[in-house]
Amino acid sequence: EAGVVQSPRYKIIEKKQPVAFWCNPISGHNTLYWYLQNLGQGPELLIRYENEEAVDDSQLPKDRFSAERLKGVDSTLKIQPAELGDSAVYLCASSLNGGSVDTQYFGPGTRLTVL
Amino acid sequence: KQEVTQIPAALSVPEGENLVLNCSFTDSAIYNLQWFRQDPGKGLTSLLLIQSSQREQTSGRLNASLDKSSGRSTLYIAASQPGDSATYLCAVLNEKLTFGTGTRLTIIP
Repeated sequence: EAGVVQSPRYKIIEKKQPVAFWCNPISGHNTLYWYLQNLGQGPELLIRYENEEAVDDSQLPKDRFSAERLKGVDSTLKIQPAELGDSAVYLCASSLNGGSVDTQYFGPGTRLTVL
Repeated sequence: KQEVTQIPAALSVPEGENLVLNCSFTDSAIYNLQWFRQDPGKGLTSLLLIQSSQREQTSGRLNASLDKSSGRSTLYIAASQPGDSATYLCAVLNEKLTFGTGTRLTIIP
């Protein structure tokens, strides 16, 4: 069974440029998460989807970040415009239903460098 | 706000030794606690999940314990191997999954 797929794996951009990350969760998983992980830190939740509905986006900086999961499967996270402080690893995870007994399965992440 | 702390930040031990990693959290109203492993440049792999009503979980050479009332968990690794070298993260679930900063473990052959 394929795991969580993310692309690209690495991205280098100039500040003020837009960037987008793509995630394909494990087949059948209804809940999808985007996390941000700074160097030497644990991941921090940005947004959680239940199917196509964003049920927790309280930590998403909405002035420059946006996300969508139009058909309840794949998801895209966008930053526009990117700032130097956005350099980090962006992780996508999925779980069956987001319940307390569900394990979250993580993708390999996209490492973003903003110059 | 939930805060998760992991001590030590880094640990090096000779191969074959048993070791314990520590995790503490401030809000005991959790649904579960999970231990993850992260290899350099890769995502996280779930190792063990302990429900709030449980005291421990075991998988192979790994044993995780949970003392919810004191806000502590330990991950015990028996007979360590070089392949165990990685960063180990604990995370607690209440409203969301909150991670610690991890312990970077190095097993010396």
